Amino acid sequence: AQRVTQPEKLLSVFKGAPVELKCNYSYSGSPELFWYVQYSRQRLQLLLRHISRESIKGFTADLNKGETSFHLKKPFAQEEDSAMYYCALYNTDKLIFGTGTRLQVFP
Amino acid sequence: DGGITQSPKYLFRKEGQNVTLSCEQNLNHDAMYWYRQDPGQGLRLIYYSQIVNDFQKGDIAEGYSVSREKKESFPLTVTSAQKNPTAFYLCASKQGLGYAEAFFGQGTRLTVV
Repeated sequence: AQRVTQPEKLLSVFKGAPVELKCNYSYSGSPELFWYVQYSRQRLQLLLRHISRESIKGFTADLNKGETSFHLKKPFAQEEDSAMYYCALYNTDKLIFGTGTRLQVFP
Repeated sequence: DGGITQSPKYLFRKEGQNVTLSCEQNLNHDAMYWYRQDPGQGLRLIYYSQIVNDFQKGDIAEGYSVSREKKESFPLTVTSAQKNPTAFYLCASKQGLGYAEAFFGQGTRLTVV
């Protein structure tokens, strides 16, 4: 069965520190993977997707098929990065999410 | 103004009553999804639909029902059979392509009183 695992419920860092939000998935095929973000009082929105291999707001994520991981990274965290982050996997027709990680960036 | 709209924002229901949550999109998206969001449990998939007049159960479909009579509408009914209906419900839509972005509504908070 497809599954997305985010082991950390909460990640707290100081401004300027590096950030890594972990995501592991279980899926037998070639997955489409995403990171979605929910800022306070805003809608859930797409941050980035693995197929684009892009950097958005300084965040990057690399798909590692050997480790079945899609960790989200940013070298220098900003206070405005504080939000709820969800890793998601799309297969055939289902879009499933992990349990989310709350990132708190302190000044 | 294009987007996906959920209504109402807050909903109160007495135990034993069915209630229907609305989700409408004007993005011309084929696929629509309903999720339940509970603290610490992330987004759990209730039902999804890839095309009009067709839908599939997600991971937690028991106690819920849906319909997809129009492309732009995907209402969710929370029935009295749902044991713990108090939650935040999110609707999403996307194009059918795997890498396409999903767009989310603002959500409906349902409280059983």
